[in-house]
Amino acid sequence: ILNVEQSPQSLHVQEGDSTNFTCSFPSSNFYALHWYRWETAKSPEALFVMTLNGDEKKKGRISATLNTKEGYSYLYIKGSQPEDSATYLCAPTQGGSEKLVFGKGTKLTVNP
Amino acid sequence: EAGVVQSPRYKIIEKKQPVAFWCNPISGHNTLYWYLQNLGQGPELLIRYENEEAVDDSQLPKDRFSAERLKGVDSTLKIQPAELGDSAVYLCASSPGTSGRTDTQYFGPGTRLTVL
Repeated sequence: ILNVEQSPQSLHVQEGDSTNFTCSFPSSNFYALHWYRWETAKSPEALFVMTLNGDEKKKGRISATLNTKEGYSYLYIKGSQPEDSATYLCAPTQGGSEKLVFGKGTKLTVNP
Repeated sequence: EAGVVQSPRYKIIEKKQPVAFWCNPISGHNTLYWYLQNLGQGPELLIRYENEEAVDDSQLPKDRFSAERLKGVDSTLKIQPAELGDSAVYLCASSPGTSGRTDTQYFGPGTRLTVL
């Protein structure tokens, strides 16, 4: 079973603050890492798929980095807005498996 | 383009009753997934279809759960009989290709099941 850890479990920030979360996973047999955002009462939304060590991806104010050698990814949000409030999920995949294994997520609340 | 459609959005039943969830994936998407999300946990894969073939159902509790994807489009997930521990969110997702490792999966809004 793939052990995926996300930290922190929850986070409260003020509007305008920048923040970041961590996703840790086994580095052995790594294939790809997915990040999703899930707002309450909505569908989970794909943010990034990352495969290469040192990858950096950006979508608006959200960016992510990937370190496959040490088994972690950071998600950054610059200048948080209330609409960024959601649970952010990461899901690595391994060679030999077609399965996403999701972490428990980081729940972000941005206070106006 | 319409997203993944799921119905119902909410369902409350008594234990031992049957329940069914329906999913209509994005048009043209060959791969369909059903996930279970328990409170405080990440989604867990129950079954993955490539067209009408179930290619990974290793996590589906086959004593009470069943699924079908007739004609390789819509899919139905059934629980019979439901137990209290089945209370959860059931998510459907689809992807255009067949690489579960790198394809982006597009999720529906889920069905929240409460078993009393």
